[in-house]
Formats: sequence, C-alpha cells, structure tokens
Amino acid sequence: QVQLVQSGAEVKKPGASVKVSCKASGYTFTSYAMHWVRQAPGQRLEWMGWINAGNGNTKYSQKFQGRVTITRDTSASTAYMELSGLRSEDTAVYYCARTTPGCGGDCRHDYWGQGTLVTVSS
Amino acid sequence: DIQMTQSPSSLSASVGDRVTITCRASQSISSYLNWYQQKPGKAPKLLIYAASSLQSGVPSRFSGSGSGTDFTLTISSLQPEDFAVYYCQQTYRSPLTFGGGTKVEIK
Repeated sequence: QVQLVQSGAEVKKPGASVKVSCKASGYTFTSYAMHWVRQAPGQRLEWMGWINAGNGNTKYSQKFQGRVTITRDTSASTAYMELSGLRSEDTAVYYCARTTPGCGGDCRHDYWGQGTLVTVSS
Repeated sequence: DIQMTQSPSSLSASVGDRVTITCRASQSISSYLNWYQQKPGKAPKLLIYAASSLQSGVPSRFSGSGSGTDFTLTISSLQPEDFAVYYCQQTYRSPLTFGGGTKVEIK
C-alpha cells in the first residue's frame, strides 16, 4: 500500500532553515511527482511547489521562490522540502503529497503524508 | 493567480441530508478541479478529481459536477463520518490554488 511518512515536528528560530523529509513506499517513486502543501493554523491549504521524482525538475510557487528548495533521493525513495529565512508566518503543518503527472491540466494529490508541524518562534 | 472561492464557508446539516457545496474560479479552469475532505488533525483526502471523477474507494454518495468557472460537490445522504472541512483545488495553472474551505457541522 502507498505510504508517505514525514519527519517529526520542528521548532526553529526566526531566520533559520528547516528541512522536512517524506519517505515513500508502496509504489515506484520515480513514476510520480511529489508536491508540498502547507497549512497555517486555521488557514486554507497553500501549495508550495513540486518535484518530478523521475528527472528531478522542480517548480515553485512565486510566493516561496528563493526560499524553498525541493529535492529527492531516488535511492531512498525520499523527497525533501527545505525552507529558509523562516519567519513566524511560516508556522504551519507541511504536507508532502504524491501527485499524478499532468499538473497545468489534470492532476491530483492522491496520497498525502501525515504532516509535519514547523513552529517558528524566538 | 487563479482565485478559488467556496460557499458557504460553513453549514449545519443532519444525518441523511443532501448537502451541496459550490466552488467558483476567478477564470475558466476547464474541468481541472479537485475536491478534498479534511478531518481535524489529519491530512486531506482526495474525493473527486477532474471535476466529476470519483477517486477509488470513495463512497458513491459523493459526486462532483461543473466546468469552466462553477463547480459543485454534492453529498447525497450525509453520514456521521462526513462531518469535516471540504476544499476545492484548481490544477489548471501554476500556482495550484485551493478554496477557503467549507466546514460541514452537525445540526
């Protein structure tokens, strides 16, 4: 069965960086994209960017451009999301989501990780 | 960016009720619209993709319709496990964007 298991909760100071991992199992890792979505407390879901797990190509939301880096390790079937220059507004639950090919058209997040709470506080 | 607006933001309903949630896009997105269900403290779950296709394993009481800018999620007979927040999402153009959510509460 498909599973996405994320790393544990993090507490960071403003200005620091955080790197969240997402280990995939139960499917061919390189056949799907991995997207990252976050949710601040009481807020709507917010898309951050994605990586083509096969070729490593990435695309980021303009909102996070320059601060977010998504990478993957195919040998470990793991995707990573690193966010730098943290500020209090980045306090949120961060999700990875397996995504079918075709975004910019028909695609869908069909499996999600359990979420990782990142708290930014001085 | 394409703005997604859901209505209502919340509703109260009883078990067995028919529930309809609407989602409007700020421009045409063809049928590139997904619906997700989220329960407290849990990750979202895909219900409907491409506006009207039911995700595998999702009960048939959930259905979706619409194209262009106006979309609807319908729950034909509300069950106790359906009380949750529902989000629409457009995948027509980057950045992918979500609606503000509709909270379905017990009356």
